[in-house]
Amino acid sequence: EVQLVESGGGLIKPGGSLRLSCAASGFTFSNVWMSWVRQAPGKGLEWVGRVKIKTDGETTHYPAPVKGRFTISRDDSKNTLYLQMNSLRTEDTAVYYCTTHFGIINLFDNWGQGTLVTVSS
Amino acid sequence: DIQMTQSPSTLSASVGDRVTITCRASQSISSWLAWYQQKPGKAPKLLISKGSSLENGVPSRFSGSGYGTEFTLTINSLQPDDLATYFCQQYDTYVTFGQGTKVQI
Repeated sequence: EVQLVESGGGLIKPGGSLRLSCAASGFTFSNVWMSWVRQAPGKGLEWVGRVKIKTDGETTHYPAPVKGRFTISRDDSKNTLYLQMNSLRTEDTAVYYCTTHFGIINLFDNWGQGTLVTVSS
Repeated sequence: DIQMTQSPSTLSASVGDRVTITCRASQSISSWLAWYQQKPGKAPKLLISKGSSLENGVPSRFSGSGYGTEFTLTINSLQPDDLATYFCQQYDTYVTFGQGTKVQI
């Protein structure tokens, strides 16, 4: 059974940094593209970015709202996905979900339970 | 960027009703559209991919249709367990989600 367990969320001041982790199990992590998706309180879903697998160059892509501030990485030896968030803003407050991709398309077939990041002074 | 517009934002219906949610794309996305169900306090769950393909284990009362820029999610004979917010997502060019439709029973 696929399991994705996020951790690392918490309260952080504007301008600060935080690193989220997602521990994966139940599948061959190194063969799967991974993404982060966030959801502000009471709001909709927003894609935060994606990392491909090693044989695809482990390339990443980020949408404009987080580009240059957020970095996604993966450690296949630890079956863990990371989201490094810098220069945090109040509008980054959200539940952050780790997701798997179905194949090599941007379709999210498994989701973690999420971790809450609150950016506030 | 491709924009996704979902309607209505909230929908009230009774058990047994047929419910339809619409999702419109700002440009053609062929069939590259998914629907997700999010129950209160839970993570989203993939229901339908490629516009109309039901995921394993999803009840047959759910169906999807559409192509290009206009898509619908239909729930036939609404059940109490269907209380949730439903999101569409295009995956033709990167990722965009619709704003969501909250289904109240």
